[in-house]
Amino acid sequence: QLVLTQSPSASASLGASVKLTCTLSSGHSSYAIAWHQQQPEKGPRYLMKLNSDGSHSKGDGIPDRFSGSSSGAERYLTISSLQSEDEADYYCQTWGTGNWVFGGGTKLTVL
Amino acid sequence: QITLKESGPTLVKPTQTLTLTCTFSGFSLSTSGVGVGWIRQPPGKALEWLALIYWDDDKRYSPSLKSRLTITKDTSKNQVVLTMTNMDPVDTATYYCAHTRGPFDYWGQGTLVTVSS
Repeated sequence: QLVLTQSPSASASLGASVKLTCTLSSGHSSYAIAWHQQQPEKGPRYLMKLNSDGSHSKGDGIPDRFSGSSSGAERYLTISSLQSEDEADYYCQTWGTGNWVFGGGTKLTVL
Repeated sequence: QITLKESGPTLVKPTQTLTLTCTFSGFSLSTSGVGVGWIRQPPGKALEWLALIYWDDDKRYSPSLKSRLTITKDTSKNQVVLTMTNMDPVDTATYYCAHTRGPFDYWGQGTLVTVSS
């Protein structure tokens, strides 16, 4: 069964970096994922598609501060030079065999 | 520029059928590889994929909701319609439509649907 697992929360200081993790279920470590950002009271915004080899392609207007990487079944979103507007929920999403799946989301707090 | 916008009722009664329309611009749903999906988000909860329709009319549904969902497209009107039968208060959520060529890469603003008598 295709499942994505995310930690419920993360925090980091203004100006620092943070690395969020999304883990693919067993047998699905080759899958690409997407990262989405949802700021408070707003709809989701597509950040990037992240492949199993770590290559990624970003959405329109996504700053260079956002980057992605991969290791095995884990997919990472790194945000550098954290700004207050980065405080948001971050969801990973994958697709395959006629199914589209979201992780439970990580709430990022910028201290 | 790709844009999508959801429309439909804001309030439905339990057991009623919900019909939502996604009106889009900036792409054609007759282009190979393109799809439009529906995703919902109950208040304070995570995103949940519901259904998706491709340019070739291939349709996919969430296994847990498949019996209640129907997705259709009108390419000439640039619209995708989702119907959900037998609505229940637990179906209260913001409903989004999104463009896809793999990941959902463009999202609508969402529409809040409340199920209450």
